[in-house]
Amino acid sequence: QVQLVQSGVEVKKPGTSVKVSCKVSGYTFANYAISWVRQAPGQGLEWLGWISPKNDNTDYAQKLQDRVTMTTDTSSQTAFLELRSLRSDDTAVYYCARRADHFDYWGQGTLVTVSS
Amino acid sequence: EIVLTQSPGSLSLSPGERATLSCRASQSVTSSFLAWYQQKPGQAPRLLIYGASNRATGIPDRFSGGGSGTDFTLSINRLEPEDFAVYYCQQYGGSPYTFGQGTKLEI
Repeated sequence: QVQLVQSGVEVKKPGTSVKVSCKVSGYTFANYAISWVRQAPGQGLEWLGWISPKNDNTDYAQKLQDRVTMTTDTSSQTAFLELRSLRSDDTAVYYCARRADHFDYWGQGTLVTVSS
Repeated sequence: EIVLTQSPGSLSLSPGERATLSCRASQSVTSSFLAWYQQKPGQAPRLLIYGASNRATGIPDRFSGGGSGTDFTLSINRLEPEDFAVYYCQQYGGSPYTFGQGTKLEI
């Protein structure tokens, strides 16, 4: 069965970086993009962007374009989200999901807390 | 960017009743590229509907989606206790993809 398993809780200081991983199984990794979505505490969902494992094409949300990098490692079937220059308003649960358009399978989420 | 506005913000109904949730877009959504998700506390969202009216794998037929252009609806017939959750619409017709702010369906 399709599974996306994310890395664990992160606590970071403002101005530092975080890298969240998303390891997939149960399907051919190269055949579907991986998207990233975040949810601040008590808030709604925010689309961050997607990456294609087949050709590394990306589409990032403009508000994060200068601070975000999405990558993949096809050998380990893992996608990564790196967010730099962290601020307190980056505190959120970060989700990876399969597909670039509508998201049919989701990871369990990774809580990233940014606090001094 | 396309802004999605969901209404109502919250909806109180009883098991067995029918729920109708609305999602209005600030501009036409290309090719009805609109999805609906259900989210329960502490869980990741679950895809219910894509392409405005197509049920995702394993979704019961009491869930149905409709609409086109700028107005979309999610209907849930014969509410079950497990249906009480927050529902989000999402458009993927044009980047940046955007979500509505959510409708909380309460018992």
